[in-house]
Amino acid sequence: SQQGEEDPQALSIQEGENATMNCSYKTSINNLQWYRQNSGRGLVHLILIRSNEREKHSGRLRVTLDTSKKSSSLLITASRAADTASYFCATDWYLEGGGNKLTFGTGTQLKVEL
Amino acid sequence: EPEVTQTPSHQVTQMGQEVILRCVPISNHLYFYWYRQILGQKVEFLVSFYNNEISEKSEIFDDQFSVERPDGSNFTLKIRSTKLEDSAMYFCASTLRTGPDQPQHFGDGTRLSIL
Repeated sequence: SQQGEEDPQALSIQEGENATMNCSYKTSINNLQWYRQNSGRGLVHLILIRSNEREKHSGRLRVTLDTSKKSSSLLITASRAADTASYFCATDWYLEGGGNKLTFGTGTQLKVEL
Repeated sequence: EPEVTQTPSHQVTQMGQEVILRCVPISNHLYFYWYRQILGQKVEFLVSFYNNEISEKSEIFDDQFSVERPDGSNFTLKIRSTKLEDSAMYFCASTLRTGPDQPQHFGDGTRLSIL
């Protein structure tokens, strides 16, 4: 089974509108993270929410977490053309030998049009 | 801001050849990772490395794969005998420490094309 499914798969909005992306996951988590990937580039960390938190804000980003439903959402307010990218949720798990393992979702492709 | 750098940005290799992908993690980071992303698919965890040892590897990371930190700055992924299905973007990542608030810092990736 897949850990981390985002919906929608693709989202097209006008500049200034809000964009909401959802993520569902299947197993227990330590935290959930959201990353952005611009075309042809690496993953950029946006925001992290711990398993005992319900909501977190960072600038124009708002993330919620519902562990009972195993779901999270990312809201980008007042979107800009520069927000055009793919957005991934990732669940985080500690490794016994050291480090953290990220399991990524399928991603949402966001296009913000002028 | 410190960055994770990966070279080359694009590697084209004949099937069956060995390939080494190179990464320079952020200098004071202690935990290192490789992920891959086949075109149009999810980013998948390959391996984590700490204290000169693999701490975890995925099912993808079979005997054809190896990782090494040959000096204090580089972290490499070697594929001994490449297959067509190894074609993907490979991302290196690093973290300063482990714990509940550790985002991973990713490089821009190496696009590996196997012919």
